[in-house]
Amino acid sequence: EIVLTQSPATLSLSPGERATLSCRASQSVSSSLVWYQQKPGQAPRLLIYAASNRATGIPARFSGNGSGRDFTLTISSLEPEDFAVYFCQQRSNWPLRTFGGGTKVETK
Amino acid sequence: EVQLVESGGGLIQPGGSLRLSCAASGFAVGDNYMSWVRQAPGKGLEWVSVIYSGGSAYYADSVKGRFTISRDISKNTLYLQMHSLRAEDTAVYYCARDLYYDSNGYTDSWGQGTLDTVSS
Repeated sequence: EIVLTQSPATLSLSPGERATLSCRASQSVSSSLVWYQQKPGQAPRLLIYAASNRATGIPARFSGNGSGRDFTLTISSLEPEDFAVYFCQQRSNWPLRTFGGGTKVETK
Repeated sequence: EVQLVESGGGLIQPGGSLRLSCAASGFAVGDNYMSWVRQAPGKGLEWVSVIYSGGSAYYADSVKGRFTISRDISKNTLYLQMHSLRAEDTAVYYCARDLYYDSNGYTDSWGQGTLDTVSS
């Protein structure tokens, strides 16, 4: 099983600041890495697929990069609506797919 | 517009059975890979099962042998039949649609979720 480790668990930042979230895989997942955003009481929302491709309607302030084992989600300038939990998911070891434990971006 | 609406959750005793439904609109369930993902209260996301467009089905080890994913193409509905339920199966269950980009999969659409509570 491929294990995804997200860090930090919590990120305390202010609006306008840059957020950098990390996702590390226990073995290479090539570029088969997806990022989701989840707000309280809501379903997850697709942000980034195939490591670096923004989903439809996702603002340009969200960007993903990485390949192999190390991946990063960057929010260039936090907007109030960006405070949420972010999950990464690997889609390399199909049909199985695993999620990271999540990073909570909270207001400082 | 793509829409997924789950139903069927509720309070069930340990050892019991429950069937979740997910009514889809805006696309054909039979033409897509469809998944179930769950989230225990206050916890992260856990993939549960997937059914491919060809009908092949796969499960997480935690539910293998107890859960069955299926679909009714005529009703455009996805199902999750759950047996031998345990307290640790308590979660919000989401149905979801998978897409692929250059052989890289991702989930682009999610239902609102249905809560399944296993407790005596």
